[in-house]
Amino acid sequence: GAGVSQSPRYKVAKRGQDVALRCDPISGHVSLFWYQQALGQGPEFLTYFQNEAQLDKSGLPSDRFFAERPEGSVSTLKIQRTQQEDSAVYLCASSLDRGTETQYFGPGTRLLVL
Amino acid sequence: DQQVKQNSPSLSVQEGRISILNCDYTNSMFDYFLWYKKYPAEGPTFLISISSIKDKNEDGRFTVFLNKSAKHLSLHIVPSQPGDSAVYFCAASAPNTGNQFYFGTGTSLTVIP
Repeated sequence: GAGVSQSPRYKVAKRGQDVALRCDPISGHVSLFWYQQALGQGPEFLTYFQNEAQLDKSGLPSDRFFAERPEGSVSTLKIQRTQQEDSAVYLCASSLDRGTETQYFGPGTRLLVL
Repeated sequence: DQQVKQNSPSLSVQEGRISILNCDYTNSMFDYFLWYKKYPAEGPTFLISISSIKDKNEDGRFTVFLNKSAKHLSLHIVPSQPGDSAVYFCAASAPNTGNQFYFGTGTSLTVIP
């Protein structure tokens, strides 16, 4: 019955370092989303999975960003060669099915790139 | 290009009074709208939603109004309580934009006891 969980909650990385952010969606939820929230802004869409299939990655800002959900449950967002502009809160959300189902958010991972 | 706009970054309301949070959008294809509430260091929490086939949806103290011709929606909280103090995000989705939600920049509501 747990909600969406994310780890780590906070991550400090040196510029150029690779990071991996984990998301555990609500059990049984088919759809999984990643959002990026910069300071003072609303969440912005990065990518969407339906089960293990990545159906939309139009929001990924560069090819340094990569997401996967190999078994249709846990997902990992990887950022290679981090830059200072990658500093943000990365939110994961899941929904029961596709379409306009309500998305339930995790607490986010706050990434700071120095 | 911000398709969902919340032009008031902050709002203060006395406890017991009505809080009205506003949201405007530009994409006429949006057909589903939601409000999320966010406390510091937590993820957004779903509050209430409305489909474009309706113009009002009510859930307890929370009511969302949709004016499609004006491309405007609002969230009314009556009566406001100190625990309602949070950042409120408006979000929208459209059938032709996949499954992503477009969020506004948020309005920080403070309810004064």
